[in-house]
Amino acid sequence: NAGVTQTPKFRILKIGQSMTLQCTQDMNHNYMYWYRQDPGMGLKLIYYSVGAGITDKGEVPNGYNVSRSTTEDFPLRLELAAPSQTSVYFCASSGQGAREQYFGPGTRLTVT
Amino acid sequence: DAKTTQPNSMESNEEEPVHLPCNHSTISGTDYIHWYRQLPSQGPEYVIHGLTSNVNNRMASLAIAEDRKSSTLILHRATLRDAAVYYCPRGSARQLTFGSGTQLTVLP
Repeated sequence: NAGVTQTPKFRILKIGQSMTLQCTQDMNHNYMYWYRQDPGMGLKLIYYSVGAGITDKGEVPNGYNVSRSTTEDFPLRLELAAPSQTSVYFCASSGQGAREQYFGPGTRLTVT
Repeated sequence: DAKTTQPNSMESNEEEPVHLPCNHSTISGTDYIHWYRQLPSQGPEYVIHGLTSNVNNRMASLAIAEDRKSSTLILHRATLRDAAVYYCPRGSARQLTFGSGTQLTVLP
């Protein structure tokens, strides 16, 4: 099992550009999550999903969109990138009961 | 608003036990207590969770106070590979909020 994979590992965007961060899990987990982590800080939940076709906002959803068309994939879309979105983005998944979250390696995004 | 409090940093000597504290001032009765850790330049890693009783697994032990307003993560013999930021996030399992955590330094 590869677990949770994220692409790309690094990306530099110009202000106003858009991009999609990809996240895939091969553990057949129902729950998936997107977090961002600013330097020296903890993680903040952006969006989460409890299953295909169902998504919900977390603590900091503004400026982001998600979709969940399959169990495996949970892409995060940034529209009109802003410097405040410079961060490391982590995708995670968990199985039934949602007790243990498994995290991907992260995507480091810089917006200049 | 539910809140957890952890020391910013702790030090331990290698091969000695480490007790990492967390205060859960307003935890709800149904929320589990979770612990995660994050090694440098990696994503967070699940460590352990519990509700009311103390829990053990291959990585650590979790001691939960009777009133559930505090918990302690116990690493029985710290190794250099245990140097990480340790988090006790608050909230329900679907909406965990991670604070800044405790930076654990393990001294050889």
